[in-house]
Amino acid sequence: AQSVAQPEDQVNVAEGNPLTVKCTYSVSGNPYLFWYVQYPNRGLQFLLKYITGDNLVKGSYGFEAEFNKSQTSFHLKKPSALVSDSALYFCAVRDEDDYKLSFGAGTTVTVRA
Amino acid sequence: GAGVSQSPSNKVTEKGKDVELRCDPISGHTALYWYRQSLGQGLEFLIYFQGNSAPDKSGLPSDRFSAERTGGSVSTLTIQRTQQEDSAVYLCASSLIGLARETQYFGPGTRLLVL
Repeated sequence: AQSVAQPEDQVNVAEGNPLTVKCTYSVSGNPYLFWYVQYPNRGLQFLLKYITGDNLVKGSYGFEAEFNKSQTSFHLKKPSALVSDSALYFCAVRDEDDYKLSFGAGTTVTVRA
Repeated sequence: GAGVSQSPSNKVTEKGKDVELRCDPISGHTALYWYRQSLGQGLEFLIYFQGNSAPDKSGLPSDRFSAERTGGSVSTLTIQRTQQEDSAVYLCASSLIGLARETQYFGPGTRLLVL
């Protein structure tokens, strides 16, 4: 079984400040972890993923995420948020033997000017 | 290059009617997935196709839901006798060959409203 928790429904930050969106996961085997972003009335856009190797993963639009196996976390970060980063963010996990993604409930990020 | 496309983008139907939702995956992708995004349930897996293998239908919520994939490319999700609880955004995704490490690329979705 696999599952994802995003403990915060909403994150509010000022433009230029650091942004963090939290994610913890549970899988029976090795995890493959993904972050997606969804803008209003749009599909999911892929941001980044962790498969193996370096725990710090860099992705699109200046986002990065750190895989922490001991804490079973994969938090998304951006050093300096933009108003255009305001969107709904989803963390997802797959077990190494599975093909379907399990998603968290999503976190709405609002960046104020 | 072209991404995953879905049609229609919006569909309004009356309770009890049948609907068909279409997905056109990225060219060359042999793995195709359907997910549903609804307010109460979040994002949930529905069905998975990989090449000519039998599809994994384990996520379909009832026997009113079915899907097919013709010629290993385009897929159609059919909902028979629609109910109001079927109202949701139906998302299609594709990946190269279906390995767990692959990225799934999503289409824009079909927003279904059952009146």
